[in-house]
Formats: sequence, C-alpha cells, structure tokens
Amino acid sequence: DPKIIQKPKYLVAVTGSEKILICEQYLGHNAMYWYRQSAKKPLEFMFSYSYQKLMDNQTASSRFQPQSSKKNHLDLQITALKPDDSATYFCASSQGTTSQNTLYFGAGTRLSVL
Amino acid sequence: TQTVSQSDAHVTVFEGDSVELRCNYSYGGSIYLSWYIQHHGHGLQFLLKYYSGNPVVQGVNGFEAEFSKSDSSFHLRKASVHWSDSAVYFCAVDTNTGKLTFGDGTVLTVKP
Repeated sequence: DPKIIQKPKYLVAVTGSEKILICEQYLGHNAMYWYRQSAKKPLEFMFSYSYQKLMDNQTASSRFQPQSSKKNHLDLQITALKPDDSATYFCASSQGTTSQNTLYFGAGTRLSVL
Repeated sequence: TQTVSQSDAHVTVFEGDSVELRCNYSYGGSIYLSWYIQHHGHGLQFLLKYYSGNPVVQGVNGFEAEFSKSDSSFHLRKASVHWSDSAVYFCAVDTNTGKLTFGDGTVLTVKP
C-alpha cells in the first residue's frame, strides 16, 4: 500500500484557474516537501516543511502556496495557473530535514494547464 | 551552488549485462550523494546514499555506487541487470540542507 498518497493522479486546468494538490503521508514523518518535474527541467525542489512550519522555499512565485492542516498533510495550492505550470508535482517526506534522513516520494500529480 | 551532471541521457543494455550509470557533481564542501529510480508513471524510489566512510555503497536490488572525490563522481553500477531494472535513474546531491538537487536523469532500457 502506498504510504504517501497524492490526489488527484491527473489534473487538467484552464489558464487562470486555481487548483489544490493533495498530499498525505502515513510514514509518521515530521518533514514534508514538494518537488516539481517538468519536461524542460530536472526534478526541482519547491518547499520543505518541518512540524508544519515552512523551512525552505525555492519557488519564486507566490502563486504556489503550501498548506499544512495536519502534521501528515501538505497540500499545494496553485493560483492563476499558467501553461508553464504544467508538470508532475511530487510530494515527499522524511523523518527529519537533515541530510541523514532519506526522502520518500509519492506517485505524483500530473498537472496540465491548457 | 552545487550541480549534478548525468552525462548519458539514455543507456541500453541486454538482460544479464553489467551497467554503469555516470554521475558527476560539483561542490567544494561536504555533500550527501544519492541515487533514486523512477519507473514509468511512479514516484522516485530511494536506491542508496553516501556521505562518508567506505566509498562503495551497497543499495537495494543489487545496485552499488562508488564515490570518488578526485573525479567528483558517484557512478551507479549493477553486475547483472534484469528487464525490471528498466527505468529512469536520478543522481542527487544534498549539501546537508535536506534539499536534494537532482541530475537530468538517465533512461536505462534493458532488452531481453
């Protein structure tokens, strides 16, 4: 059974709309992350959270907003969607945020913006 | 800033062959080096990690990687591949921030 659940698996949106990508982890981890994988770039770090607090943000645009309602949840809200936002968004988690900890990834949400 | 380079975009071998997937990095300080595998339509799965000690690290499913400071490399190897090893392999570096920087990936195709 998958321990990191991302919903939906596929998502199609129109330019200018808003979507929320869901992520829940059942590994008992304290740290959660979002990474993005697009056709033109390698997998890139977006955000890291530890104990529901933002630790690092490498996303230039404020249109991307993580939301952590529970310790094991880290959703990603994307507003004013653009075609360039089309990518697969991966949620990940680890026991802590130090490098000794291994990252575990979800299966991803593939977002297409038309 | 650290960078990761995977020089081979595609590698094709036959089942039972050995394979080496190359990874080079650039960073002046201490780093953690990892390899991940991504099967089509799935998320990334951890294979192995190196930080210090024995430069040859054993991972899952018969994979191993060898760290070389002089070459700034962390190549992944497997002695005998199986068709199920066909996937995309990513090398990643972490400068003790918990944030991974990934290479572009190498697509490994194992032919029967």
